[in-house]
Amino acid sequence: DIQMTQSPSSLSASVGDRVTITCRASQGINNYLAWFQQQPGKAPKSLIYDASTLQSGVPSKFSGSGSGTDFTLTISSLQPEDFATYYCQQYNSYPLTFGGGTKVEIK
Amino acid sequence: EVQLVESGGGLVQPGGSLRLSCAASGFIVSNNYMSWVRQAPGKGLEWVSVIYSGGSTYYADSVKGRFTISRDISKNTLFLQMNTLRAEDTAVYYCATDREGMIRGGGDFWGQGTLVTVSP
Repeated sequence: DIQMTQSPSSLSASVGDRVTITCRASQGINNYLAWFQQQPGKAPKSLIYDASTLQSGVPSKFSGSGSGTDFTLTISSLQPEDFATYYCQQYNSYPLTFGGGTKVEIK
Repeated sequence: EVQLVESGGGLVQPGGSLRLSCAASGFIVSNNYMSWVRQAPGKGLEWVSVIYSGGSTYYADSVKGRFTISRDISKNTLFLQMNTLRAEDTAVYYCATDREGMIRGGGDFWGQGTLVTVSP
């Protein structure tokens, strides 16, 4: 199974900050990586797929990059609605696996 | 507009069974790659199962042999039959799907989730 390791597990940031979350796969995943945002008590929302392609309707302040085993999600200017938990997921091979999540909190 | 509405969750005793439903609108379930993902209370996301448009299915090792994913085209509904339930199956279960024709983890669109609690 491919293990997905996210870091940090949590971070505190201020409105307007640039935030970067890292996701590392235990083996190469051919850029088959998605990022999700989950607000408390809500279903996850897709942000990015294929490592760097923005989902329709997702603001351009979100961006994804990386290849092979190392990937990042960047939020260019954190806004109040962005405080949430973020997950990466690989879909290169079964079983599909998620990272443990990164909780972004208000400083 | 794609919409997914889960139902069928509830309280069940260990060893019991439950069938979850996911009513779809805005697309035909047999045309899409569809998945179930669960989230235990206070924990992260865990992939459970997927069904391809062609009918192929895959399962997480933790549910293999106990859970079955299926669909009913006449009802445009996805199902998850869960047997021999254990306490560790307690979670919110989400139904999700990719855009038609796409296969990218099954997470483009999500339902609101249904809670399954396995307890004596």
